[in-house]
Amino acid sequence: DAGVTQSPTHLIKTRGQHVTLRCSPISGHKSVSWYQQVLGQGPQFIFQYYEKEERGRGNFPDRFSARQFPNYSSELNVNALLLGDSALYLCASSLGQWDYEQYFGPGTRLTVT
Amino acid sequence: AQTVTQSQPEMSVQEAETVTLSCTYDTSESDYYLFWYKQPPSRQMILVIRQEAYKQQNATENRFSVNFQKAAKSFSLKISDSQLGDAAMYFCAYRTLTGANSKLTFGKGITLSVRP
Repeated sequence: DAGVTQSPTHLIKTRGQHVTLRCSPISGHKSVSWYQQVLGQGPQFIFQYYEKEERGRGNFPDRFSARQFPNYSSELNVNALLLGDSALYLCASSLGQWDYEQYFGPGTRLTVT
Repeated sequence: AQTVTQSQPEMSVQEAETVTLSCTYDTSESDYYLFWYKQPPSRQMILVIRQEAYKQQNATENRFSVNFQKAAKSFSLKISDSQLGDAAMYFCAYRTLTGANSKLTFGKGITLSVRP
C-alpha cells in the first residue's frame, strides 16, 4: 500500500510569494495533520483536518491556511512568505480523528529567499 | 500547555551496545499518550514506540523499550543491541486524550549516531 505522499519534494520561493503544498493520505485515512519542522527543531503542529473540517489549529498566523478535499487529500497554503517560513512541512494521516498512530509523509522542503 | 524537553542534542553509541535517550514533559493532565519517533536522514518520520499514561507497564517493541516514570514526568527510550540503521534523529512526543484535536507536541529531538 502507498504511504502518505507529498508534493512537491522541494520548493524555492521568494519573500512575499504564495505557496501551496499538497498531501495525499494513506488510502482509507480520513484525518490529515500538518506540521512545520524548522531545521534543528521538532515538528510544530499547524492544522488538523478530519472529514473536511478543521479540527485544530496551532499557533500560526492567518497567512497559513489549509483545506481537505472529498477524497481526503489536503492542501496547505502560505501567503506572503517570510524568510522564517523556510522549513520542512510534514503531513501526517490517520484513520480517524483520534487514532493514536499518525503516519508521516516524507515532507516538502520549502526555502524562502 | 504541554511541553516536551529533550536536553541532550546528540548521543553516540557503539554498535551492539545499549543507549538510553532521555525525555521529560510537563502536563497537568492525567491521561495522555507518549511516543518516540525516529526520523532517519531520508526524513520520513516513523513511530518507534508508544506508551499510554494509564498503563503502569513499560512498553516494549523488540529492541526498543521505555522507562515511563509518570510522577517524575519522565519518558526515556532504551535501544538495546544498537544497529547502524538506528542512526537517526529521535523525537519524544506527547498527545492529549482530551480537547478538540489529536495534535502531537514534539521535543527538539536528539541525533543518535552509531559507531561501527
